[in-house]
Amino acid sequence: NFMLTQPHSVSESPGKTVTISCTRSGGNIATNYVQWYQQRPGSAPTNVIYEDDQRPSGVPDRFSGSIDRSSNSASLTISGLKTEDEADYYCQSYDMSDLNWVFGGGTKLTVL
Amino acid sequence: EVQLVESGGGLVQPGRSLRLSCAASGFTFDDYGMHWVRQVPGKGLEWVSGINWNSVNIGYADSVQGRFTVSRDNGKNSLYLEMNSLRLEDTALYYCAKGSRGWGQVDHWGQGTLVTVSA
Repeated sequence: NFMLTQPHSVSESPGKTVTISCTRSGGNIATNYVQWYQQRPGSAPTNVIYEDDQRPSGVPDRFSGSIDRSSNSASLTISGLKTEDEADYYCQSYDMSDLNWVFGGGTKLTVL
Repeated sequence: EVQLVESGGGLVQPGRSLRLSCAASGFTFDDYGMHWVRQVPGKGLEWVSGINWNSVNIGYADSVQGRFTVSRDNGKNSLYLEMNSLRLEDTALYYCAKGSRGWGQVDHWGQGTLVTVSA
């Protein structure tokens, strides 16, 4: 199986841009799509990016996703940070050979 | 509006069994795969199991393989998770999630049901 590694925490000021990385170890990041989920305290996760770089309807275009084959990683970028973006963010991918999913460990975003 | 309502959680002793249910509404249930994801309070997300629309493709995390069984009843718009031989480390909030495009993603989550395994 493979692992997805995220920074434990990031912080940035309102109005700025932050990027959260998700590095895959064991296999190619481009093999299967990467999703990103936002989880605010006390709430269930919600999807903010699917299929590497697609935004679900209702998610502001301040959120964008990408993958970088050279670093074997995915990234979630949030621009024009708002205090409401403060949450935990998880990347997730899967392996079709055994149907298993893998989540990254999560990144706590603080907007201060 | 998509709604996923989990039930069946509670306090259970190690080694015992518990059955979780997820009642789905607001979408054509038998068009989509479904998944269970759990979260130890204060910790990260862990995928538990998934099942495709017709129950042909089923997957389990290594941590629950052989102890948990996922199933669905498309006639009742319901997803289930039969949990046997429960361990202390199975204590978590269990979320039901609706599959989206293909196996590897979900687009809606329930609010979760808490399972506490304790002597």
